[in-house]
Amino acid sequence: GAVVSQHPSWVICKSGTSVKIECRSLDFQATTMFWYRQFPKQSLMLMATSNEGSKATYEQGVEKDKFLINHASLTLSTLTVTSAHPEDSSFYICSARGGGPSDTQYFGPGTRLTVL
Amino acid sequence: EDQVTQSPEALRLQEGESSSLNCSYTVSGLRGLFWYRQDPGKGPEFLFTLYSAGEEKEKERLKATLTKKESFLHITAPKPEDSATYLCAVQATTGGSYIPTFGRGTSLIVHP
Repeated sequence: GAVVSQHPSWVICKSGTSVKIECRSLDFQATTMFWYRQFPKQSLMLMATSNEGSKATYEQGVEKDKFLINHASLTLSTLTVTSAHPEDSSFYICSARGGGPSDTQYFGPGTRLTVL
Repeated sequence: EDQVTQSPEALRLQEGESSSLNCSYTVSGLRGLFWYRQDPGKGPEFLFTLYSAGEEKEKERLKATLTKKESFLHITAPKPEDSATYLCAVQATTGGSYIPTFGRGTSLIVHP
């Protein structure tokens, strides 16, 4: 089956520092990748959608200068949380979709970010 | 606007007690309906994709069905390891970005 990896699985950082999270599709080419945020006992909140080689499209209310997304290749997308603050602490999950809009979206295992 | 409503929000079953989870949706045109399972602290795990009314798919104790207005995830003789949150998502034919809309999920607990 399709496998999506995320690295790191968890990270603790100090307030004001930047953190980069990588998302890779291991056995398929992902033309579209999504980044989600999830708070405890809540559903997925879409942050942004990115297509390979294009700028990411951010959902309303998501600061694009704070959450930098780069989809540089068909197998790699990165999310950088810049100048992180405690309120950015959350569970971040990426997902990847293959060639067509009907294709299934496969999720990574998630990254737990804690900002002290 | 596409809408997905899952019910119940939470469900407690005894081991072996079969039941169904519901996913009601409103979309301008359905391109696909997806079911996922999510365990605490993990990303959602793909279960099924359904494309058209009348379609059914099975995997072990799970069976997903689709009508023009809703989908059911039937769980037959569940085991404690089936405990998880089950998410439903729909993808519409309109909208160039084809972003799936997710429901809030059903939290299932199966007691031994």
